[in-house]
Amino acid sequence: RKEVEQDPGPFNVPEGATVAFNCTYSNSASQSFFWYRQDCRKEPKLLMSVYSSGNEDGRFTAQLNRASQYISLLIRDSKLSDSATYLCVVTGSSGSARQLTFGSGTQLTVLP
Amino acid sequence: SAVISQKPSRDICQRGTSLTIQCQVDSQVTMMFWYRQQPGQSLTLIATANQGSEATYESGFVIDKFPISRPNLTFSTLTVSNMSPEDSSIYLCSVNSVGSPREQYFGPGTRLTVT
Repeated sequence: RKEVEQDPGPFNVPEGATVAFNCTYSNSASQSFFWYRQDCRKEPKLLMSVYSSGNEDGRFTAQLNRASQYISLLIRDSKLSDSATYLCVVTGSSGSARQLTFGSGTQLTVLP
Repeated sequence: SAVISQKPSRDICQRGTSLTIQCQVDSQVTMMFWYRQQPGQSLTLIATANQGSEATYESGFVIDKFPISRPNLTFSTLTVSNMSPEDSSIYLCSVNSVGSPREQYFGPGTRLTVT
């Protein structure tokens, strides 16, 4: 079993749609959780951290369920510019950057 | 935030040769990280480069294949030695932010093709 598993994708959705991505992680001692965005042929960039209480940033909502070891990302009112690969990232028990584990990513294409 | 530059941005190399990738950060950092992203795959940490000490390599990566230098707090190099087509990948340099939550910043990557 992979340490971090994501929806295989790709997701092709029309503009304005709501889309949700899921991610599960295997290490119950994981400390920190993130969603990164990677545009085609670009480096990954932090989209948002994921907190236990859930957090929202504009059209983006991230949720964490520690009991189920599950993270989600919800994008409302999708824009063409949301087209990218979304990476679920988890740190180990120490929270050290050496223990960052990246999921394989979910590709999203928002269609006009 | 940190601004990271890498050279070269891309290269096509023959098997058996070596390529050195440079990474420059606009601020002093304790640790610099080297990642590999193979086609269609996610990122895998190769090693952590600390200034003044040997790099720490992750499982599956060895110093003879991926020697790293860290001469100061803003610069590092990664060499891909004796290349084979399996080394074709994007190599990314990374640093993390100070404070919480930690954000990982990445350079633009070096796209390597080995023929």
